[in-house]
Amino acid sequence: EDQVTQSPEALRLQEGESSSLNCSYTVSGLRGLFWYRQDPGKGPEFLFTLYSAGEEKEKERLKATLTKKESFLHITAPKPEDSATYLCAVQAGNYGQNFVFGPGTRLSVLP
Amino acid sequence: KAGVTQTPRYLIKTRGQQVTLSCSPISGHRSVSWYQQTPGQGLQFLFEYFSETQRNKGNFPGRFSGRQFSNSRSEMNVSTLELGDSALYLCASSQRRTSGYNEQFFGPGTRLTVL
Repeated sequence: EDQVTQSPEALRLQEGESSSLNCSYTVSGLRGLFWYRQDPGKGPEFLFTLYSAGEEKEKERLKATLTKKESFLHITAPKPEDSATYLCAVQAGNYGQNFVFGPGTRLSVLP
Repeated sequence: KAGVTQTPRYLIKTRGQQVTLSCSPISGHRSVSWYQQTPGQGLQFLFEYFSETQRNKGNFPGRFSGRQFSNSRSEMNVSTLELGDSALYLCASSQRRTSGYNEQFFGPGTRLTVL
């Protein structure tokens, strides 16, 4: 069965304390891996698409990387405004256009 | 370019009633997917519509249905509401390329509360 897991479930960081979030997946025929940020009560905001192992994407303090079995979202020198839930999703060959989402990592950055 | 819009943003219904939610995709996007998000189950796929046809369906009962219009706008309907249907309902639009990946862009969601 295709699965997406994320760890940790929750993470508290001090402002400026860098860390990484993990997304592990077991799917058949990966077409793309996506990272989203979601603030409470709002829809997910698109961050990155990764397609092939070894690929990296960067945006401000965030960098996403992809291997054959997992992806990491590295957060460098986070600020309180980076506090949100970070969701990982995969689009696989068996699922047409829909995504399979992980449960998310709830990030809190304290000033 | 305007983003995905969803109406209404908030709804309160009672058990047994039915509800209709609306979604307008990004201009030029012809695929609309619907998701249910709850604290316990996370984001779960409901169904996808493309060219007015349902293309994929998740594991939800037949009380959940949808449709898409010729202008790509979509509606989803939930009949005979149950307490467990309380959730944030999200709509996502994409271009639906036939190969490679397709980024999905989400609307703000409709918060449904069933009393």
